[in-house]
Amino acid sequence: ETGVTQTPRHLVMGMTNKKSLKCEQHLGHNAMYWYKQSAKKPLELMFVYSLEERVENNSVPSRFSPECPNSSHLFLHLHTLQPEDSALYLCASSQDRTAPYEQYFGPGTRLTVT
Amino acid sequence: AQSVTQLGSHVSVSEGALVLLRCNYSSSVPPYLFWYVQYPNQGLQLLLKYTSAATLVKGINGFEAEFKKSETSFHLTKPSAHMSDAAEYFCAVSRTGGGNKLTFGTGTQLKVEL
Repeated sequence: ETGVTQTPRHLVMGMTNKKSLKCEQHLGHNAMYWYKQSAKKPLELMFVYSLEERVENNSVPSRFSPECPNSSHLFLHLHTLQPEDSALYLCASSQDRTAPYEQYFGPGTRLTVT
Repeated sequence: AQSVTQLGSHVSVSEGALVLLRCNYSSSVPPYLFWYVQYPNQGLQLLLKYTSAATLVKGINGFEAEFKKSETSFHLTKPSAHMSDAAEYFCAVSRTGGGNKLTFGTGTQLKVEL
């Protein structure tokens, strides 16, 4: 595997389910990010991790819970989601979190909440 | 605070014609500016970035962009469109000293017609 991978690519879940999104970067980077991409809206930064420490949480509801066990892996744990949480969730990584390092994106997980 | 405005959510050009995608930014400090491309069912890929060196920046796939401070613009151009350029394009800004936090525009969908 190369670059940034995300699993699953598609996920359908009910409002009472618990699921997790997984991201893995194979680039030796120190910073990882979760973004939400909704139709007709700009990408929204959700969380930033630097060297496994959460350094930013952009007022994301607690039904989204990130986890970064090491610098290569990032998870987004989901529970009791709402239909408006349906979106493409993108993971990204960069060499570190200081500008202007390029962010490398994974292909995303298309989440549908029913 | 920084922001990005992309004029035109949809742009259509003929194959071989000039591509011009517009991006205006707002930033209280010198910005770093980026253009990303997103093909269907994929994540974002960096086309080019401006980091206060040369104002004319060349990127991949024949794209280039010019930073114009007086106009607060960073428009993306390509002399001759190819069918494979059909995708969604995002302009993003980050501020110097502000970490690698990107603020994205809402995107421009480029259609290339025969």
